[in-house]
Amino acid sequence: DTAVSQTPKYLVTQMGNDKSIKCEQNLGHDTMYWYKQDSKKFLKIMFSYNNKELIINETVPNRFSPKSPDKAHLNLHINSLELGDSAVYFCASSHGAGGPADTQYFGPGTRLTVL
Amino acid sequence: ILNVEQSPQSLHVQEGDSTNFTCSFPSSNFYALHWYRWETAKSPEALFVMTLNGDEKKKGRISATLNTKEGYSYLYIKGSQPEDSATYLCASNGGAQKLVFGQGTRLTINP
Repeated sequence: DTAVSQTPKYLVTQMGNDKSIKCEQNLGHDTMYWYKQDSKKFLKIMFSYNNKELIINETVPNRFSPKSPDKAHLNLHINSLELGDSAVYFCASSHGAGGPADTQYFGPGTRLTVL
Repeated sequence: ILNVEQSPQSLHVQEGDSTNFTCSFPSSNFYALHWYRWETAKSPEALFVMTLNGDEKKKGRISATLNTKEGYSYLYIKGSQPEDSATYLCASNGGAQKLVFGQGTRLTINP
């Protein structure tokens, strides 16, 4: 069983569309994250949720909206997609409250291409 | 803004040789330092998390050290094998709750 899964793995879409990426973890973790791998290959935190509550919200355009229906799921919805949104998006989870010493477990990534 | 820097960016090592690379981070307000191993087409996988100055961790042929006073960590690989080829990421805390990742060191082991 995959511990942290993301769907879809690849997403190709037109500028202006709205799309969602789903993430699920079966590790029983309390905290989930979304990262964006930027053009220089850095992993940058976007959001984190602890028990369905938002705890980190970095400077991200408000076109990006995370939603956590339960603590095992954290979905990322993106409105009005732009070319600059093309990137690989990674979901992760950790046990505990999301402190900096908590080991994070990553999903396989979703490669988003905006045309 | 917290900068986590890794060097070198890439490294080619002959099979059987030992190697090491560096992660630098701001020493103020330090809480934790993580090392991850990231193979192509896979997810980053946790290797170590260290919190105390002088910490040393070991997993098989891979070990890591931490100096929080000067703000660096070394990752060592002894007797490199082709399966060690991967990108090695380090991350440190950028504030109380979030991790800031370095760009990674891409290691290639030549058979």
